[in-house]
Amino acid sequence: DIQMTQSPSSLSASVGDLVTITCRTSQNIGSYLNWYQQKPGKAPNVLIYDASRLQTGVPSRFSARGSGTTFTLTISDLQPEDFATYYCHQTYGNPTNSFGQGTKLEIK
Amino acid sequence: EVQLVESGGGLVQPGGSLRLSCAASGFTFDDHAMHWVRQAPGKGPEWVAGISWGSTRVEYADSVKGRFTISRDNGENSLYLQMDSLRAEDTALYYCAKDRWGGNSHWSYFDLWGQGTLVTVSS
Repeated sequence: DIQMTQSPSSLSASVGDLVTITCRTSQNIGSYLNWYQQKPGKAPNVLIYDASRLQTGVPSRFSARGSGTTFTLTISDLQPEDFATYYCHQTYGNPTNSFGQGTKLEIK
Repeated sequence: EVQLVESGGGLVQPGGSLRLSCAASGFTFDDHAMHWVRQAPGKGPEWVAGISWGSTRVEYADSVKGRFTISRDNGENSLYLQMDSLRAEDTALYYCAKDRWGGNSHWSYFDLWGQGTLVTVSS
């Protein structure tokens, strides 16, 4: 099974900051990596797919990069609506889908 | 309106069964693979099962294999999850999710989610 490790598990930041979240996988998954945002009481919402492609309608302050085993999600110029929990999600291996444990982004 | 609406959740005793349904609207249902994803209270999402557009490819997480069955009815624009031999650890909010692609060779990302239906397994 592919193990996924997200870091940090929680993060405090201020409006206007730049933050970076990392997701590492236990084996090479190419670019089969997606990023979701989840707000309390809501379903996850895709931000980035195929490691670096911005989903339609997602603000350009969200960006991502990586391939293989190390991936990053960067949010620049944090806005109040960005405080949420972020999950990485791989669709490469067995199990064929798995999510990271999440990074909770809180207001400092 | 493009949406997924789950139903069928509830309280069930350990060892019992439950059938979840997901009604899709606003998009061409039989163009897309579909998935069930669950989320236990305070935890991250866990993929449960996926089914390709034409039901030729069906896969399960190891944690539910042999106990859960995913199926779909393209004529009714509906997705189902039959859950048998339920355990306390199956307690979660169950989401129906739409795959970006048809899923014959590979799953993709989930671009539409329902609001979830809560399953509680307890005596």
